[in-house]
Amino acid sequence: AQSVTQLDSHVSVSEGTPVLLRCNYSSSYSPSLFWYVQHPNKGLQLLLKYTSAATLVKGINGFEAEFKKSETSFHLTKPSAHMSDAAEYFCVVSDPPNFGNEKLTFGTGTRLTIIP
Amino acid sequence: KAGVTQTPRYLIKTRGQQVTLSCSPISGHRSVSWYQQTPGQGLQFLFEYFSETQRNKGNFPGRFSGRQFSNSRSEMNVSTLELGDSALYLCASSLYTTGPSGNTIYFGEGSWLTVV
Repeated sequence: AQSVTQLDSHVSVSEGTPVLLRCNYSSSYSPSLFWYVQHPNKGLQLLLKYTSAATLVKGINGFEAEFKKSETSFHLTKPSAHMSDAAEYFCVVSDPPNFGNEKLTFGTGTRLTIIP
Repeated sequence: KAGVTQTPRYLIKTRGQQVTLSCSPISGHRSVSWYQQTPGQGLQFLFEYFSETQRNKGNFPGRFSGRQFSNSRSEMNVSTLELGDSALYLCASSLYTTGPSGNTIYFGEGSWLTVV
């Protein structure tokens, strides 16, 4: 079974300061990993995905994440927070692409608050 | 290019009734998945369809069912509604590939179901 653990349920940062959202995963295989963002009353938007290519993955809106197998981590970072980044962020794991299924397993989410 | 479209966006039903939710995937996408989002349980996988066949099913009672049509549009049905079925139901679609780059899974904005 696969799982992800988001280590912080709530993170607050000041506008213009770095963002770090932490995620650890558990998987019997080399998984695919994703970060999704959900703004209030909206669906989920894909920020970035890792599928065993480069371990440093760049996403949209200046976000990036680094896959560290030795630490089973996939933390999301952004150098400078913007007010529009305030949202709920989900770390997600799925089977490797060649497994032929697309079931996503979500973490419990991290609510990011940006302080003006 | 239109995104994943879900209808209706909001609905209120009474306990014991049934409900059908509809999802139109992105044009050309053949894989459709459904998720339930609640404050208590977070995001949980319901089922996944590809080419009109259910490929994967989550741990939900038989009251939850779905289907996919030849044009890839999908519906999910919940019978004998319970108060606990109140949730945001999200549909996702992808092109589906087993290649190393994996799939990009796109979500709709969801259908908000309230059971009273």
